[in-house]
This record gives sequence, structure tokens and C-alpha cells, in this order.
Amino acid sequence: DAGVIQSPRHEVTEMGQEVTLRCKPISGHNSLFWYRQTMMRGLELLIYFNNNVPIDDSGMPEDRFSAKMPNASFSTLKIQPSEPRDSAVYFCASSTSGRLNEQFFGPGTRLTVL
Amino acid sequence: KNEVEQSPQNLTAQEGEFITINCSYSVGISALHWLQQHPGGGIVSLFMLSSGKKKHGRLIATINIQEKHSSLHITASHPRDSAVYICAVREGAQKLVFGQGTRLTINP
Repeated sequence: DAGVIQSPRHEVTEMGQEVTLRCKPISGHNSLFWYRQTMMRGLELLIYFNNNVPIDDSGMPEDRFSAKMPNASFSTLKIQPSEPRDSAVYFCASSTSGRLNEQFFGPGTRLTVL
Repeated sequence: KNEVEQSPQNLTAQEGEFITINCSYSVGISALHWLQQHPGGGIVSLFMLSSGKKKHGRLIATINIQEKHSSLHITASHPRDSAVYICAVREGAQKLVFGQGTRLTINP
């Protein structure tokens, strides 16, 4: 199993540009999570999906952020327009559903907004 | 919202020493996770526990639900254990709230 796959691994963009981060969960996992990690705030949950349906998006910072999961094997996190304060590492994780199931993390996308 | 506090924030030790990292949380949880993040940035789940104690190799995790406290122990520490260790508590079904992490450095 390839694990959770994220792309790109690194993204450098200019303020105001649209950024799209991509995630492929582990096959058979039906829960998917998007996290953001910064030095100031550590790891934070942005949104998570169960069976492709968004369950909790209370961590999405503002309307500039949106996430979709069109099918069980693909999700996107989009920032439009991007701002320098969005610079962070964005992690995707997946798990099987259930209260005591482990989450498996992808390698992360390091985003720099200039 | 749960507040998750880890201590110490930074820890430097010599190879072979016994290491303890602590995690306290403020509200009832369904489970607690210990994660490891290596300098390259990847995050690996070490333990998930809701009661008692778990052991994997040189790593031991314990949790006291009544005291809202968990500890991660490393026996016979090694330089390859150098990493950031993150405590995360599970609220409800799946949502995780994270501590700020403990940066561990083991010197040879």
C-alpha cells in the first residue's frame, strides 16, 4: 500500500493566486482529514469527511478556503485568493471510520505564499 | 474546546536515558493519540489508547482517565528517537485536538 499521497510536496506562489492541494487516501479508508501545521498554532484540523461527505468544517479559517471530496479516492483543498499568512504545512490523513481507528498521515504539502 | 498541554516543550538527554513526556487535557475524551514527527516532517502514529497502558518496543504509553493525563516513556533512548512527539485527544467520534509537541533530542 502506498499510504496517503499528497501533491504537490512543495508549493510556492504569490499572494492572490489560487492554490490547490491534492490528496489520495489509503484505499478502503472512508474518512479523510485535512490539517494545517504552523509554528505558532501547531497542528489544527481544518475539515474532515466521512464517506465523501463533509462532517466538520469548523476549522476552516475563512471563505477563502474550500475542500471537496468528489469520490472515495480523491480530495482537494483550495485557497483562493492565497495570502502570506496561509503559509504552512498542510497534511492529509485517512482512516477507516469508527471511534478507535488510527489515522494515517500523508507526507504533507509545504505551502509558501510570497 | 479541549485544551491539551504537553510538558516539557523541549527535552535534551543522553543516549540510554529513560525519557518521559507528559500530556494533560481538560475535557473528557474518547481516545488519546501519541504521534511522532521526524525532522523531515512526516507524522507517524505511535499509540492510540483509551485506558491503561500500551507498549511497543522501547515505547510505553499510559493514560489516567480520571486525572486526564497521559505519559509517553522511552526506555534506553537512542539518537534515532530524536523527533517531535505530539499528543492529540479525540473529541467525539473522530476530531483530534493537538498539543504543541515536545521536541526531543538524544545526544550520542
